Formats: sequence, structure tokens, C-alpha cells
Amino acid sequence: GNSVTQMEGPVTLSEEAFLTINCTYTATGYPSLFWYVQYPGEGLQLLLKATKADDKGSNKGFEATYRKETTSFHLEKGSVQVSDSAVYFCALTSTGNQFYFGTGTSLTVIP
Amino acid sequence: DAGITQSPRHKVTETGTPVTLRCHQTENHRYMYWYRQDPGHGLRLIHYSYGVKDTDKGEVSDGYSVSRSKTEDFLLTLESATSSQTSVYFCAISELGVTGELFFGEGSRLTVL
Repeated sequence: GNSVTQMEGPVTLSEEAFLTINCTYTATGYPSLFWYVQYPGEGLQLLLKATKADDKGSNKGFEATYRKETTSFHLEKGSVQVSDSAVYFCALTSTGNQFYFGTGTSLTVIP
Repeated sequence: DAGITQSPRHKVTETGTPVTLRCHQTENHRYMYWYRQDPGHGLRLIHYSYGVKDTDKGEVSDGYSVSRSKTEDFLLTLESATSSQTSVYFCAISELGVTGELFFGEGSRLTVL
């Protein structure tokens, strides 16, 4: 079956620190992988995506590389800002009509 | 931003009463979804629709029903609300295709007393 496992939070970092949020997956076929971000009081919005092995998705300084050999899609950012404080969700779809989400990782960045 | 409107945004109700949440889209996307978000569980799919009058169950469909009589509207109904259905409910839409992404509404917070 399909599932996503991401690291437990909450994560607290100082501004300008390096961020890694781990995500591993189990999937049938050849999934597309996503990172979504949820700011307080809002719905989720797409942060980045990768549709095939070795693809790198990037947006707003965040990056994630689709690693088929390790079934991983870890989210990274070199220097976090206070405005990056949010909940981050890893997700996948193999069929395009059903999406599977991790449990979310809460990030707080302190000045 | 994708045109997705959820209503009501907040609702407090009592156990045993029926509740209907509405999702309205202006994007003409084929797929529509209802998720619930709970601490420690992330997002879990309740039901989804792949066209007018075409719906299917998700992983937590018990106690919920849905209807889609028009492309733009997807209704989620709790026939007899229970306290375990206290949650934040998100509607999402998508176009067909593995590379497609989900676009989310702002959520509806439901409290069942």
C-alpha cells in the first residue's frame, strides 16, 4: 500500500539555522512526491514537488530530492526565517486521484 | 489562489444533530476531496469525488456521506454528529494526473458537544 512517514515534531530552530525534515515513503508504482506547508489558520498549500526519481523540487529556498533507492524525500533549507514557522506535510500520489499524507511536522523559528 | 470556498468556517453543534459542510470551487476541477485534520494523524481522506454523482470512500468514511450534484459543489454530511467528529475539515480539488497537485480550502472547524 501507500504511506508516508515523516519525522516527529515539534522542531524549534533559531533564525538562520539549517533545516532538515525527514520523509520516507512506501508506494506502489511510480509516485509523485510533494511537500505542503500550512501556516496558522490556513489550509495547506503546495511548497514543492518532484514527479520522478532524482528530480529536485525547490521553492522559496526549500529543496527536496526524490530518492528512489532510499524511498525518501527529505525537505531542506539552508537558512530558516521566522516566517517559515508552519506545519510541513510530506505527501504522495501514485494514481493522481488519491493522495497520502504524513502526520505533519511543526516548525517554530525563533529570532 | 485557487477558488475554493468552504462553508461554514466554524460550527458548534450538539451530539446527534445532522451537519452539512459545503465546498464550492470555481476552477472546474474534476476531483474534489474531503479531509479531516486531527493532531497526531495529519490529514485523513474521508471521501472524494471524480465527477458529478461519482464518489468513493476514503480511509475514514464511517459516519460521513457526500454528494456532488454539480461540478462546483461537494457536500459532506454528518447524519448524526458525534464528539469523535470534532475536527477541522478541509476540502481540496485537483485535476487528473499523477503530477497534479491538490488545492485546499481554508478549512471548517467543527465542534460537537
